[in-house]
Amino acid sequence: NAGVTQTPKFQVLKTGQSMTLQCAQDMNHEYMSWYRQDPGMGLRLIHYSVGAGITDQGEVPNGYNVSRSTTEDFPLRLLSAAPSQTSVYFCASRLSGTENSPLHFGNGTRLTVT
Amino acid sequence: AQTVTQSQPEMSVQEAETVTLSCTYDTSENNYYLFWYKQPPSRQMILVIRQEAYKQQNATENRFSVNFQKAAKSFSLKISDSQLGDTAMYFCAFMIGYGGATNKLIFGTGTLLAVQP
Repeated sequence: NAGVTQTPKFQVLKTGQSMTLQCAQDMNHEYMSWYRQDPGMGLRLIHYSVGAGITDQGEVPNGYNVSRSTTEDFPLRLLSAAPSQTSVYFCASRLSGTENSPLHFGNGTRLTVT
Repeated sequence: AQTVTQSQPEMSVQEAETVTLSCTYDTSENNYYLFWYKQPPSRQMILVIRQEAYKQQNATENRFSVNFQKAAKSFSLKISDSQLGDTAMYFCAFMIGYGGATNKLIFGTGTLLAVQP
């Protein structure tokens, strides 16, 4: 049981490049989400999904796309990277139907856009 | 909209002493959940403790306990017998408890705690 797995751990992009941050969980969690962490701003929700085929926007969705074709995977796509997207990105999942079940986090991806 | 405020960006405590981290939140909901997460230098996010708003009894987990004041919308974390391994960023988080899968976790900006030897 690996939990939530994020890849890569580190990435450097040039402005305008595209990339996909991968997230996979093996706990059969229906709910998955992406957060970004910036100094002094805590964690802010980018996108989330309540099940395969269903996604929705969070607090800061601009510049990011997501899809959920399977229960296990929830990739985050940056179509044209900007320096403002330099951040640490966390994927997190939780059981649905259990109100107080905690979020399980991946170990994060540190992204730098130059 | 719900908000979570942590007014202490940084705190310091001596090893073996007790420290309290503050958190306030704003909501018009009556059914919700509150969490404290710890983020050590490894960057991993670790759940420390959780509290259901409908429970009057404050949650405790070993050396960690909370002071939940629902009327004041306050949810502070007390760490007793502080250890060097408690050095971390601590995040307070809030979730509306409707039931089901759509509940989103809203985080505060964090408090960086340094435990001094």
